Amino acid sequence: SYELTQPPSLSVSPGQTASINCSGKNLGDKYVCWYQQKPGQSPVLVVYQDSKRPSGVPERFSGSNSGNTATLTIGGTQAVDEADYYCQVWDSTTAIFGGGTRLAVL
Amino acid sequence: QVTLRESGPALLKPAQTLTLTCSFSGFSLTTNGMCVSLVRQSPGKALEWLARIDWDDDKKYNTSLRTRLSISRDTSKNQVVLRMTNMDPLDTGTYYCVRTRQDYSYALDVWGQGTTVTVSS
Repeated sequence: SYELTQPPSLSVSPGQTASINCSGKNLGDKYVCWYQQKPGQSPVLVVYQDSKRPSGVPERFSGSNSGNTATLTIGGTQAVDEADYYCQVWDSTTAIFGGGTRLAVL
Repeated sequence: QVTLRESGPALLKPAQTLTLTCSFSGFSLTTNGMCVSLVRQSPGKALEWLARIDWDDDKKYNTSLRTRLSISRDTSKNQVVLRMTNMDPLDTGTYYCVRTRQDYSYALDVWGQGTTVTVSS
């Protein structure tokens, strides 16, 4: 079955750029979504179709996908961005999530 | 405004069946391209997709759980029902109902608040 791999954790200083990677075989051939989940809250879609932002998501969130790696980039990271981030794709008719990356803004 | 709300038993015993109801508003499951997915999350763990039902009543399931899952809809009530048989303590977690959009390449764009299910004898 298809697998998505994310680093378990990432730390970034406020104002810096955070880049969260998601890897999978030929990932660039699929559309990647990214979800943000803060403690005790439901996930929120922040990027879909690799690089599109839903209405209401700040412009500092951007995405890219090529080869075997997709990346969620948060430019000018703020304390409110501290959360778990999950990548997700559809493998045929099954949705697959990555293991999640905990972003700490220190 | 699109909202989804999950309801179901908070506590189940092993081997019982979970019946989870998702009530939604702000969209119709008969509108072309609209879908509803069920996703769960065990405590401290990653998200796990369970099933999806589409505007045309097509249904998709997590292959590893297929024999235990059944998803259905009542379009007159704007509800989706997920049944999961033979519940086990490992099925303990938060279960989310999520709108899914074909035009977003099936992105899960609006999430319910989730409902916590505990399986214990």
